[in-house]
Amino acid sequence: NAGVTQTPKFQVLKTGQSMTLQCAQDMNHEYMSWYRQDPGMGLRLIHYSVGAGITDQGEVPNGYNVSRSTTEDFPLRLLSAAPSQTSVYFCASSYDRVSAYNEQFFGPGTRLTVL
Amino acid sequence: KNEVEQSPQNLTAQEGEFITINCSYSVGISALHWLQQHPGGGIVSLFMLSSGKKKHGRLIATINIQEKHSSLHITASHPRDSAVYICAVRYNFNKFYFGSGTKLNVKP
Repeated sequence: NAGVTQTPKFQVLKTGQSMTLQCAQDMNHEYMSWYRQDPGMGLRLIHYSVGAGITDQGEVPNGYNVSRSTTEDFPLRLLSAAPSQTSVYFCASSYDRVSAYNEQFFGPGTRLTVL
Repeated sequence: KNEVEQSPQNLTAQEGEFITINCSYSVGISALHWLQQHPGGGIVSLFMLSSGKKKHGRLIATINIQEKHSSLHITASHPRDSAVYICAVRYNFNKFYFGSGTKLNVKP
């Protein structure tokens, strides 16, 4: 199993550009989520999904869109990038959306810089 | 307002020392997770707990639900334990709050 994969690892955008951060998992996990990590702050939940076709907002959803058409993939879209979206983005997944005791598996992260 | 507070923010220890990292939270939770973030950025899950105590090798995690407090202990610390340790609380089953992390440096 590859676990949770993210592409790209690094990306530089200009203000106003759009892009999609890719996330995929091969563990048949129901729950997938996107976080951003900024210096001096904890990880913050952007969006999450509890299954194909089901998504919901987290703590900081503005400026980001998600969709979940398959169990495996959970892309994060930036429609019009802003410097405030410069961050490291992590995707994570866990097996069961109901149980609180599921381990979260994290992707390697994408470092995004918006100029 | 930070729903999860960790202390200390930075910790330097000599190899072999006993280490404690603390986590306090302010919301009702279904579980608390301890994570380790390696210097290269990768994040792995160490523990999930909602009561009592768990042990894995030299790592011990405890939680007191009434006091909304958890501790992560490392016994006989080693330079390879150097990392950022993150406390996360799961609430409403599907959402997480994270602490800002404790950066641990263990010197040989």
